[in-house]
Parts: sequence; C-alpha cells; structure tokens
Amino acid sequence: EIVLTQSPGTLSLSPGERATLSCRASQSVSPRFLVWYQRKSGQAPRLLIYGASSRATGIPDRFSGSGSGTDFTLTISRLEPEDFAVYHCQQYGSSLFTFGQGTKLEIK
Amino acid sequence: QVQLQESGPGLLKPSETLSLTCSVSGGSIKNYYWSWIRQAPGKELEWIGYISDSGSASYNPSLKSRVTISVDTSMNQFSLKLNSVTAADTAVYYCTRDKWAKYNDGWHFYGMDVWGQGTTVTVSS
Repeated sequence: EIVLTQSPGTLSLSPGERATLSCRASQSVSPRFLVWYQRKSGQAPRLLIYGASSRATGIPDRFSGSGSGTDFTLTISRLEPEDFAVYHCQQYGSSLFTFGQGTKLEIK
Repeated sequence: QVQLQESGPGLLKPSETLSLTCSVSGGSIKNYYWSWIRQAPGKELEWIGYISDSGSASYNPSLKSRVTISVDTSMNQFSLKLNSVTAADTAVYYCTRDKWAKYNDGWHFYGMDVWGQGTTVTVSS
C-alpha cells in the first residue's frame, strides 16, 4: 500500500499570501493517478486537481499542482478567504486508492 | 447537475450487516465508476471499493473479506454491504462518482468529481 504523507499538518497564512502544500508518497506514483481535494468543515471533499497538475472544472487558476515520482505539490498563488480549508491528496496504485491525512490551511 | 444521495440505517449493532444505497440523480450511472469512501472519527479518508456500470468491482484489501458493492443500472443506484460490523466501522460513509479514461498509454484517473453529502453510521451495542 502506498502511504501518502502531507506536510505541514497545519499552515497558517493570511489572505493574499501564497500557500505551498506537500504530498509525499512512500513509493513512486504515476502523475496520472495523483489527485487533490479541498474539504470544508461539514462538507464532502471537492475535486481540485487531477493528473497531478490539471485543474478540475470550475477551479480558479490560482490553484496549481505539480510534481512527479514521490513528491507532489499543491500551490495556491494568492489566498482568498474561501480557500481556508483542509486539503487532501489521493493516489491510485496497486488497485488501491489511498489518501493523505490532510493539511489544514488556517487564517493567520 | 449530477447529485448523489446516500441512504440507509444510521445505527447498527456489532455483528450486523451495514447496507447503504447511493442514488444517482441528474445523470446516468453508465460510463462511470462509483466508489464508497468512509472516514472514521479522527482517521483519514479510507477507500472501501468501487464498481463499474457493468458490475466489475474492486475492493480495499483491508475490507475485502466483508464487503460487497453492487450496481443497479435500471434504478440508477449502487449499494454497499459490509458484514460483521464492529465499532471500528463507525464512520461517515460517502459515495462518489469516479472519472476514468483510457488512452493509448493506459488508464488515466480524473478524480472523484461528485460526492454525496455523506451519511453517519454508528455501530454500538
């Protein structure tokens, strides 16, 4: 099973700042199987990025994804108030989906 | 706009069978894969398994011995059964629509793009 470790656990930033979230895999992950979700309190996750770097429908261009191998990054270029949430990465490998534990992005 | 709605009992006793149904509205169940995901209190999101519209299923090895996912295309819904539940199965259960596409270089995963609101299942004696 591929384990995804996200860092930092909590990121405290102000609106307008840049956020960089990391997702590290215990084994190499094909970018075509790496996805990012946003999750707000009490809600289901929302698809942000698929294929490691492609934005899902309706996702603003301030969100971007990158990475390969075992290291993937989600970047939010300029934080808006509605971006403060928990972010999860997800991968598919060996016929199994796994999720990272999440990074909480909070207002500083 | 496609919407998913989970339904089923919210309270079970240990050893009982958890049965949930996900109803798909606003679109067809065909041409997609459909997953069940859960999140236990204080734990990470856990994928339970998925099923294709043709009924081909794949399960998380950690749950495989207890799980069955089925699909009913005529009713536009799919279902989850989890046998012999314990307190460890207490969680919020989500159903999702999974987007896949096959190209010359193989399958590509486009994410779980539609989620149900989630339903809480508690296992307690």
